[in-house]
Amino acid sequence: EVHLAESGGGLVTPGGSLTLSCAASGFIFNNYAMAWVRQRPGKRLEWVSSIYSTTSSIYYADSVKGRFTISRDNANNSLFLQMNSLRDDDTAIYYCARDLRSSSYYPGWFDPWGQGTLVTVSS
Amino acid sequence: DIQMTQSPSSLSASVGDRVTITCRASQDIKKYLAWYQQKPGKAPKSLIYAASSLQSGVPSKFSGSGSGTDFTLTISSLQPEDFATYYCQQYNTYPLTFGGGTNVEIK
Repeated sequence: EVHLAESGGGLVTPGGSLTLSCAASGFIFNNYAMAWVRQRPGKRLEWVSSIYSTTSSIYYADSVKGRFTISRDNANNSLFLQMNSLRDDDTAIYYCARDLRSSSYYPGWFDPWGQGTLVTVSS
Repeated sequence: DIQMTQSPSSLSASVGDRVTITCRASQDIKKYLAWYQQKPGKAPKSLIYAASSLQSGVPSKFSGSGSGTDFTLTISSLQPEDFATYYCQQYNTYPLTFGGGTNVEIK
């Protein structure tokens, strides 16, 4: 069974840092691009970042560029999101998701999604 | 950035009703559109990709159509398990963007 499980969320003060992890299982991890998508309380889904496996291409939303870093460890089927200089408006549930388009360059749609991990930025 | 606008933002419907949700892109996205279902407290679930292709395991009561800028998601006969929020997403280009969601409630 294809499965994604996020961890690492929690409470952090503004300006602080946090690293999220996503453990993947049930599929050949390095065959797929992976992504982080977040959802602020009561708001729409917001794509955060994507990383490709074969090309190592990386994309970020403008709202996190320069503050967040996405990375992956194909040997251990893991995806990461290093978040620095956190702000109140980064408070959200962060989902890890598999990009299903099977492309080395072009974005796709997401399936499955992990259960999400809550990041709360507050003093 | 491509803006995705869904309508309506919410609707009330009865079991057995046919429901249609609309998603409009601010520019041509060809058929690079996906639909998701999200239930309260749960992660989104993929329903439709490439505007009209059914994700594996998704029942055929869900269907999608459209291309260019205008798209629709139809649920042919609403069942109790279908009451949820539905989102569209464009994947024509980065940054990837989602619609604001349509909350389907029980009438």
